[in-house]
Amino acid sequence: DTEVTQTPKHLVMGMTNKKSLKCEQHMGHRAMYWYKQKAKKPPELMFVYSYEKLSINESVPSRFSPECPNSSLLNLHLHALQPEDSALYLCASSQVGLAAYNEQFFGPGTRLTVL
Amino acid sequence: KQEVTQIPAALSVPEGENLVLNCSFTDSAIYNLQWFRQDPGKGLTSLLLIQSSQREQTSGRLNASLDKSSGRSTLYIAASQPGDSATYLCAVSQSSASKIIFGSGTRLSIRP
Repeated sequence: DTEVTQTPKHLVMGMTNKKSLKCEQHMGHRAMYWYKQKAKKPPELMFVYSYEKLSINESVPSRFSPECPNSSLLNLHLHALQPEDSALYLCASSQVGLAAYNEQFFGPGTRLTVL
Repeated sequence: KQEVTQIPAALSVPEGENLVLNCSFTDSAIYNLQWFRQDPGKGLTSLLLIQSSQREQTSGRLNASLDKSSGRSTLYIAASQPGDSATYLCAVSQSSASKIIFGSGTRLSIRP
């Protein structure tokens, strides 16, 4: 299985809602990533988990809360978002270690709209 | 601070042509460089990864080269097809399981 899956594909939420995005991979990768992508812009890194521990937080507001319950799953919990948080949220995974195995594989993304 | 630039921002060519997409980066101390393809509203598809010690990688009609000393990479697409139309992004990483820094992409359109 060489796929990263993300659910849901689309999400519409109000500013007072709490929702979660989910990401799953079964490639044995031990690094997982959340990216945010606005229209016509490249992805911007939000968080990196390495061996289920948060290793990088790119100064993301606390209304985004990541969680890595096990080596295959990555969640992004959302609370009190703003309309400007509307974007495509991408999950990725990679192995850890040798450069040859550090290729990042991306999921299809969750299109988030905050009303 | 590493910066990645892709030129041109958009490119339109007739079907069947060979073409080259360019990527440049400011810090030559990279771990690897990856080329991705992204269709509108979709996720990224990894095309090729070049390790810092390599000069090129090939996959089918695609060939990516890397010149670390000059901070450049190119993606060569042979015999282009309309299905190649997409945005192509290059990205560099500077260590394992770390941030990768993307260029702003080249929007490629292949005219039938």
